[in-house]
Amino acid sequence: EVQLVESGGGLVQPGGSLRLSCAVSGLTFSSYWMHWVRQAPGKGLVWVSRINYDGNSTNYAGSVKGRFTISRDNAKNTLYLQMNSLRAEDTAVYYCARAPYYEISGYYFDAFDIWGQGTMVTVSS
Amino acid sequence: DIQMTQSPSSLSASVGDRVTITCRAGQSIANYLNWYQHKPGRAPKVLIYAASTLQSGVPSRFSGTGSGTDFTLTISSLQPEDFATYYCQQTYSTSYSFGQGTKLEIK
Repeated sequence: EVQLVESGGGLVQPGGSLRLSCAVSGLTFSSYWMHWVRQAPGKGLVWVSRINYDGNSTNYAGSVKGRFTISRDNAKNTLYLQMNSLRAEDTAVYYCARAPYYEISGYYFDAFDIWGQGTMVTVSS
Repeated sequence: DIQMTQSPSSLSASVGDRVTITCRAGQSIANYLNWYQHKPGRAPKVLIYAASTLQSGVPSRFSGTGSGTDFTLTISSLQPEDFATYYCQQTYSTSYSFGQGTKLEIK
């Protein structure tokens, strides 16, 4: 069974740090781009970051660039999100997601086909 | 970043109704558009990718159309399990932006 299980969330003070983990099982982890998406309470989904197969290529949303770092350990089948300088507006459920590519007529499209259940991060004093 | 705007923000409908949700991109995204269903306390679920391709295992009552800047998600005959929040997402640029969501409620 394919599973993505996030952990590491919790309550942290503004300016603090947290490291989220996403443990992956049931699939060849190193074959996929991986993403983090968050949802603030009562709000919609917001893309946070992505990382390529071997960790050499990363992208970030503007709101977290310079504060968050995505990484992966393919030997441990685990995705990470290091979050520094946390702000109240970072309060959200954080999801990890797998993003395979689909080929249609020579073009490649990606979509988030498997998601974890999420881990809650609360930034408050 | 590419802005994605969905309408309506909420919608009340009955079982058996035909429902259409629209999504507009701030610039052309060709057909790099996905649709997701999200229920409270659950992981989001991809319904459609590349604007019109049904994800494996998704019922055929879901369909997607559009290209460029205007897209639609249609549910041909609402079932009780379809009441949820729906999001569009562009994958044309690496901002991977989502629409603000459309909450589909039971009338």
